[in-house]
Amino acid sequence: SQQGEEDPQALSIQEGENATMNCSYKTSINNLQWYRQNSGRGLVHLILIRSNEREKHSGRLRVTLDTSKKSSSLLITASRAADTASYFCATDEYTGTASKLTFGTGTRLQVTL
Amino acid sequence: GAGVSQSPRYKVAKRGQDVALRCDPISGHVSLFWYQQALGQGPEFLTYFQNEAQLDKSGLPSDRFFAERPEGSVSTLKIQRTQQEDSAVYLCASSLGGSHGKLFFGSGTQLSVL
Repeated sequence: SQQGEEDPQALSIQEGENATMNCSYKTSINNLQWYRQNSGRGLVHLILIRSNEREKHSGRLRVTLDTSKKSSSLLITASRAADTASYFCATDEYTGTASKLTFGTGTRLQVTL
Repeated sequence: GAGVSQSPRYKVAKRGQDVALRCDPISGHVSLFWYQQALGQGPEFLTYFQNEAQLDKSGLPSDRFFAERPEGSVSTLKIQRTQQEDSAVYLCASSLGGSHGKLFFGSGTQLSVL
């Protein structure tokens, strides 16, 4: 089952614009991570935000976390054609014996020239 | 190694065949995960190893799915008597420590069951 739901499912913007993706989840978490996946490839880790953090930056990426609303957002500023990919949020969920990362449904981002 | 390596990259199987998918994690990584990703969906958790111990197999869809990591490094995901609904990309990921940290993914094995 998918823990997170990303919104929107698909996003098309022009190069230079900002892209914002949202993620909502259901259970308490230790951290929330964002991953990127190019077509036909594995996922690449972008950024991790802990449950006691509210905002984090990494280059052109900005992530926010609101644990009271169980939601996170990923902002990509000054987008480039190379940012075209699917983006997934992932939350860690404790199963009783270990934690596992549970991924959302993803946002497909298309950046056009 | 430089990254997580999975083989084969593509696998076509006839319905009813057994398949074995291999994952070579980054050297020294303690945790290893298998995920299944259907077309247009996010990865779905299958199973988790910490060294050679399989701590969680709650995501395995049926008893036709079996995973092992006997020496705490290379892992194999085996699917017996494949069905068409098993067609998906199978992703392996590893992490240095426990399961809270960031995962390093392989490129996956795309399984097509005809």
